[in-house]
Amino acid sequence: RKEVEQDPGPFNVPEGATVAFNCTYSNSASQSFFWYRQDCRKEPKLLMSVYSSGNEDGRFTAQLNRASQYISLLIRDSKLSDSATYLCVVKEVSGGYNKLIFGAGTRLAVHP
Amino acid sequence: NAGVTQTPKFQVLKTGQSMTLQCAQDMNHNSMYWYRQDPGMGLRLIYYSASEGTTDKGEVPNGYNVSRLNKREFSLRLESAAPSQTSVYFCASREQLSRVNSGNTIYFGEGSWLTVV
Repeated sequence: RKEVEQDPGPFNVPEGATVAFNCTYSNSASQSFFWYRQDCRKEPKLLMSVYSSGNEDGRFTAQLNRASQYISLLIRDSKLSDSATYLCVVKEVSGGYNKLIFGAGTRLAVHP
Repeated sequence: NAGVTQTPKFQVLKTGQSMTLQCAQDMNHNSMYWYRQDPGMGLRLIYYSASEGTTDKGEVPNGYNVSRLNKREFSLRLESAAPSQTSVYFCASREQLSRVNSGNTIYFGEGSWLTVV
């Protein structure tokens, strides 16, 4: 079983739609959680951290469910510019150092 | 600030050839990383350097070596390239204040597309 699993998609949605991605992780001792965005042939960039109480950044809402070991990302009012791959990232402590585990990503395509 | 810069951006190698991917960061970060990204798989850590003068193996170190030349620079070397090393390679850096309490944001270079034929 992969340490961090995501549905690869693609999710094809029209502009203005609401779309949600989920991610599951296997290590219950994982400490921190993030969503990164990666455009085609570009490097990943931090989109937002995920907090236990849930957090919102404009049209983006992230949720964490520690009991079920999953993280979600909700995008409201999708824009064409939201088209990208969204990477779920989990931080663990291994050998006294932080270790980031990346999911393979979920691809989103927003069409007019 | 340029952030993280890596070279070359594209490279084609023949099996058995060697090459070095260069990486430099200007953010005064302690920790630097080399990842590879393959279709259908998440970024996998090859090697990392928690601070100048130290390097450690990541998840997929076989076939690679690294050098942390100074705080700014962290290079990745393929001594004898194999087709299985065809991939996109990303260098990254992050501030690491202590072993556990570290900055959360990791900054990536633009990637190096390597093809081994």
